[in-house]
Parts: sequence; structure tokens; C-alpha cells
Amino acid sequence: QKEVEQDPGPLSVPEGAIVSLNCTYSNSAFQYFMWYRQYSRKGPELLMYTYSSGNKEDGRFTAQVDKSSKYISLFIRDSQPSDSATYLCAMGGGTSYGKLTFGQGTILTVHP
Amino acid sequence: DADVTQTPRNRITKTGKRIMLECSQTKGHDRMYWYRQDPGLGLRLIYYSFDVKDINKGEISDGYSVSRQAQAKFSLSLESAIPNQTALYFCATSGWFRGGETQYFGPGTRLLVL
Repeated sequence: QKEVEQDPGPLSVPEGAIVSLNCTYSNSAFQYFMWYRQYSRKGPELLMYTYSSGNKEDGRFTAQVDKSSKYISLFIRDSQPSDSATYLCAMGGGTSYGKLTFGQGTILTVHP
Repeated sequence: DADVTQTPRNRITKTGKRIMLECSQTKGHDRMYWYRQDPGLGLRLIYYSFDVKDINKGEISDGYSVSRQAQAKFSLSLESAIPNQTALYFCATSGWFRGGETQYFGPGTRLLVL
């Protein structure tokens, strides 16, 4: 079993849709949680960072962490074609000092 | 200018050849990392370095070696390239951010081994 599992697989939605991306993890020592966005032929860039359970909002993006269920989510409201990218969850801290563990990534396509 | 740079950006090589991928950073971070990315597998850690004298293997280090020439420079070598090392390679640095660590990635090197 992988330490971090990300779903869904490739996702295609119409412009304006609400998108939900999810990751589950098995290591209860993880302390901080991130979402990265990666455009085609580019390196991943940090999109959202959360340290505690609960919700964090930044514009159209909301990151949600539930440490008791070992589950994190990223919600994108009013999705735009420019949101089309690969989204990677990542987490670290505790016994993983100095390293991050990444999910497999979700390829999102938002069509006009 | 980019904070993390990688050279070359694209490379085609033949099986058995030795190649080196280079990474430089201007962020002043001590920690640097090499990852490979394959479709459906996310980012997998090859090697990481917490400072010039501290180098560690990641989850998939076989067939790779690294050199940390300075705080700002971290190179990845494929001693004898094989086709299943065809992948996208990323260098990253790590710094503290809002109470935890996060990583900053270079633009990647696309490697094709024939």
C-alpha cells in the first residue's frame, strides 16, 4: 500500500464546474500538507499550504485537511481553462523530516 | 531569473552512456533533492542532500549517483543509462514556510534513453 493515495484519475470538467481532488495517507506523523500545480512541461509550483485540520481558502481554491481521517482535499470553484494542469498532493513532517511524500497526481482538464 | 535552474532541459542519449544532469539554485537553501516523474507514479525521490557533506539515498537510487559541489549546486549522474531511466527529472530545494517545510522545483530535464 502506498503511503499517499491520490484520486481521481484524469478529470475533465466544463468551465465553471466545482472540482474536488483528494488524497488519503497512512502515516499519522505527517504534520503539514501541500497542493502543487504543474503545468505541462513545467516544474510543480506550490499552490496551497496547510498545517492543521480544517479549511484554508485562497481565492477560488480551498484546501481541507482532516487528520483524524487522514484525508486531504482541494476544491476549485468556478474552474477555468487556465486551471488545466496536473495537481499533486504532498505531505511532510514528523518521521519524514526533510522529505515530502507525493501523491500520484491528478490531470485536470477544464474545457470551455 | 529562476531560483532553481536545470541543465540541460532536454537530452537524448544511448543505452550505456554516462550522462550528468545539473542543478543550480539561488535561494540559499541547504537542502536539495532529485526526483524523477513518470506518468501515473507521481514524483519519486532519487537522492537528497541536507548540506554539502550530507547526501542520502531516496527510494529509487539504484543506477544513479550524485555530487554536491557547493551549497548551490547538486548534480545527478546516470552511470550507464538504460531505457527505463527515460523520464522527467526534477531538482528541488527545500526551505521553511509558515512553520513547515516546502519544496521549490526547477523546470525539469526531459531525458530519453534509446
